[in-house]
Amino acid sequence: NAGVTQTPKFRVLKTGQSMTLLCAQDMNHEYMYWYRQDPGMGLRLIHYSVGEGTTAKGEVPDGYNVSRLKKQNFLLGLESAAPSQTSVYFCASSYSRGIVQPQHFGDGTRLSIL
Amino acid sequence: GEDVEQSLFLSVREGDSSVINCTYTDSSSTYLYWYKQEPGAGLQLLTYIFSNMDMKQDQRLTVLLNKKDKHLSLRIADTQTGDSAIYFCAESIGTGGYQKVTFGIGTKLQVIP
Repeated sequence: NAGVTQTPKFRVLKTGQSMTLLCAQDMNHEYMYWYRQDPGMGLRLIHYSVGEGTTAKGEVPDGYNVSRLKKQNFLLGLESAAPSQTSVYFCASSYSRGIVQPQHFGDGTRLSIL
Repeated sequence: GEDVEQSLFLSVREGDSSVINCTYTDSSSTYLYWYKQEPGAGLQLLTYIFSNMDMKQDQRLTVLLNKKDKHLSLRIADTQTGDSAIYFCAESIGTGGYQKVTFGIGTKLQVIP
């Protein structure tokens, strides 16, 4: 009964380092999303994917890249981390069919950039 | 554009009712959601309401929608300490296919024993 799993849960990086956050879902959802959550700003959409092999920019895509090589996985990459990217990152997934498509969230990755 | 607004904080006594309010701007919203976030966890869907409904009740939760005023509320009856969390209002636009979802900044509910 895993749902949406994010790894790692915590990470500290130095400015300029790169890293990849992994999101995996076992619900056969077509749609997947990456958000960042910052105090006083709620959730902001970074990138999303409507299916394997496709990605699209969200509200705040700069400084991030994503890939969806497999339907169950959605990767978020930071090529050169900056302190402004210190945040809590959430992955979510949802069905593409059906009228109601609530998003199911992972528990988040807490990322600090020094 | 889309915008969802919520108050930041609400404090209630255990056993009382809590009412969390939300306003949204896009009249073409399809669904409106309430999510709950406990410390250190992701968002958990609590309930949702279709835009052509006025009210939805689910056990201790009652959602009221006033489309004219673009106002959504979540009432929690008999509030318990376990209800302490951040509650997010969200609206989605579109039917079928990809739905754009806009979240509010969240209302922190503190339940006093």
